[in-house]
Amino acid sequence: GESVGLHLPTLSVQEGDNSIINCAYSNSASDYFIWYKQESGKGPQFIIDIRSNMDKRQGQRVTVLLNKTVKHLSLQIAATQPGDSAVYFCAESGGSYIPTFGRGTSLIVHP
Amino acid sequence: DAGVIQSPRHEVTEMGQEVTLRCKPISGHNSLFWYRQTMMRGLELLIYFNNNVPIDDSGMPEDRFSAKMPNASFSTLKIQPSEPRDSAVYFCASSPYKDYGYTFGSGTRLTVV
Repeated sequence: GESVGLHLPTLSVQEGDNSIINCAYSNSASDYFIWYKQESGKGPQFIIDIRSNMDKRQGQRVTVLLNKTVKHLSLQIAATQPGDSAVYFCAESGGSYIPTFGRGTSLIVHP
Repeated sequence: DAGVIQSPRHEVTEMGQEVTLRCKPISGHNSLFWYRQTMMRGLELLIYFNNNVPIDDSGMPEDRFSAKMPNASFSTLKIQPSEPRDSAVYFCASSPYKDYGYTFGSGTRLTVV
């Protein structure tokens, strides 16, 4: 089946910097995208989502950008904090309400 | 709301033994999902239920795996017999029916030796 993948398995940033985590998807029928954060020893936690009729959505310190032309999704975290250290997953769905998860990117924030 | 509750948090068992993982979804959530997470394969959907009925079990790796949801507040995932390659973190998640608002439990880390 079609898959969701990530460009960078590990991203290291300094506290206070902005972080950008990228994700490529291959299913052109996908119309809903979600970013999850998974901290060590915990299950994935919803961060932010975006539908295919949008190209940008902002939350608290996070922004998701969607480029349907190149099937690319990114998560931007402003003023990254040590508490943001986690694995971040993108997930996509084509209307089945069952998301397909990517492999994840580990974000490491150095104080 | 206590969230999705899974037990046990950790399970170590010998190859060939039966393992039962448990999940209590969030009250009112109609859909329940079992996922398996490994470094090699990431998060894989094993099976999901809507209103206690199994809808899609195509992700269940083999007949050694079975899942039940006898009522709206409880589900089990059983592996019999267990094998070392079953070692993984197993997550349960629940959501309102046809809603993307997934809530994951904290997972059960299974080690089969």
